[in-house]
Amino acid sequence: AQSVTQLGSHVSVSEGALVLLRCNYSSSVPPYLFWYVQYPNQGLQLLLKYTSAATLVKGINGFEAEFKKSETSFHLTKPSAHMSDAAEYFCAVRFFSGGYNKLIFGAGTRLAVHP
Amino acid sequence: ETGVTQSPTHLIKTRGQQVTLRCSSQSGHNTVSWYQQALGQGPQFIFQYYREEENGRGNFPPRFSGLQFPNYSSELNVNALELDDSALYLCASSLATGGYNEQFFGPGTRLTVL
Repeated sequence: AQSVTQLGSHVSVSEGALVLLRCNYSSSVPPYLFWYVQYPNQGLQLLLKYTSAATLVKGINGFEAEFKKSETSFHLTKPSAHMSDAAEYFCAVRFFSGGYNKLIFGAGTRLAVHP
Repeated sequence: ETGVTQSPTHLIKTRGQQVTLRCSSQSGHNTVSWYQQALGQGPQFIFQYYREEENGRGNFPPRFSGLQFPNYSSELNVNALELDDSALYLCASSLATGGYNEQFFGPGTRLTVL
């Protein structure tokens, strides 16, 4: 079975500070992992994805994530937070079985950025 | 290229009523998935449609049903609405290629059940 755990439902950082959002996964097969961002009253936008290629994945808006198999982690980072980064972030793992695939999401982390 | 669109944007229903939500997939995509996102939670997979057939389902009761049309657009129907059905319903489209296929999400329909 596959699952995702996001540590910390709320994270608050200062503008310009490092952003670190934590995600741990459980998977019986090599995982495909994703980070999505959701702005208020909007759908989900893909930030980045890991599909078994390079372990350090770069995404949009300056975000990146590193796949660490030994730690079953896929944490999201950004060196310098911007006010526009305030949003809800979701980590997800792909489940694939018998011809269909779905995304299994974590509960989300709300990022607040203050001046 | 047109992205995934959903209608309506917001909807208010009362308990026991029925509702239909609509989704137009991204151009060229033949697969549609529906997710329910309750307040403060991550999206939960409802079901997926491919070539007009349901080919995968999450842990949702039969009163959640769907359709996919020849143009790959889709509907989500919910009968006998309950208060807990209040949520944001997200549609995602993808192109099934037998391997990894990225899902592109629409803006969602916010359903409130009173």
